[in-house]
Amino acid sequence: GAGVSQTPSNKVTEKGKYVELRCDPISGHTALYWYRQSLGQGPEFLIYFQGTGAADDSGLPNDRFFAVRPEGSVSTLKIQRTERGDSAVYLCASSAGVGGTYEQYFGPGTRLTVT
Amino acid sequence: AQSVSQHNHHVILSEAASLELGCNYSYGGTVNLFWYVQYPGQHLQLLLKYFSGDPLVKGIKGFEAEFIKSKFSFNLRKPSVQWSDTAEYFCAVTRNTGGFKTIFGAGTRLFVKA
Repeated sequence: GAGVSQTPSNKVTEKGKYVELRCDPISGHTALYWYRQSLGQGPEFLIYFQGTGAADDSGLPNDRFFAVRPEGSVSTLKIQRTERGDSAVYLCASSAGVGGTYEQYFGPGTRLTVT
Repeated sequence: AQSVSQHNHHVILSEAASLELGCNYSYGGTVNLFWYVQYPGQHLQLLLKYFSGDPLVKGIKGFEAEFIKSKFSFNLRKPSVQWSDTAEYFCAVTRNTGGFKTIFGAGTRLFVKA
């Protein structure tokens, strides 16, 4: 079956611009997670959704970052006024439920480069 | 705050050598523990997980990990590595209560020489 997909696979933008990154989870998965992975580091938690609501957004670095999941399926991570330090691979994962007993399935990521 | 430490950032082994990758976490409550692997050019995928019960868990491709609660450790082992095990390995922890965000370690890059 189809896995988690993310678009675009690569995004190059200029400092100060606005970007949107999209995640399509596995059909039927209620939980969706966003991570950011910088070079040489592990994935860093940003936010996760249970259904349409953000259950924990404590990992969002500042108010330039925002994520939505209006219908409980597709999610969009939005970054305003991008900075060079935002350059990273943004990973999305989904799972059939919330909690550590549920396996997270990861997408291929979106590589964001801010010039 | 929750954190995960992986002691080895880069490991180079010859085929048939034994592997042990260290992982320690800092959280006093009940946790679920994971090892994920990322092969070159592929997505992160689950290697094995521990929730409860037998502290020695077995995963795919001959990997196993042992949860030692007193040491807050969850080390990954494989008795005999293959060239195809060349990948990056990440240890991760999820709290069992009060929020389920997952914290990852920085990763260990393993290179197996043929």
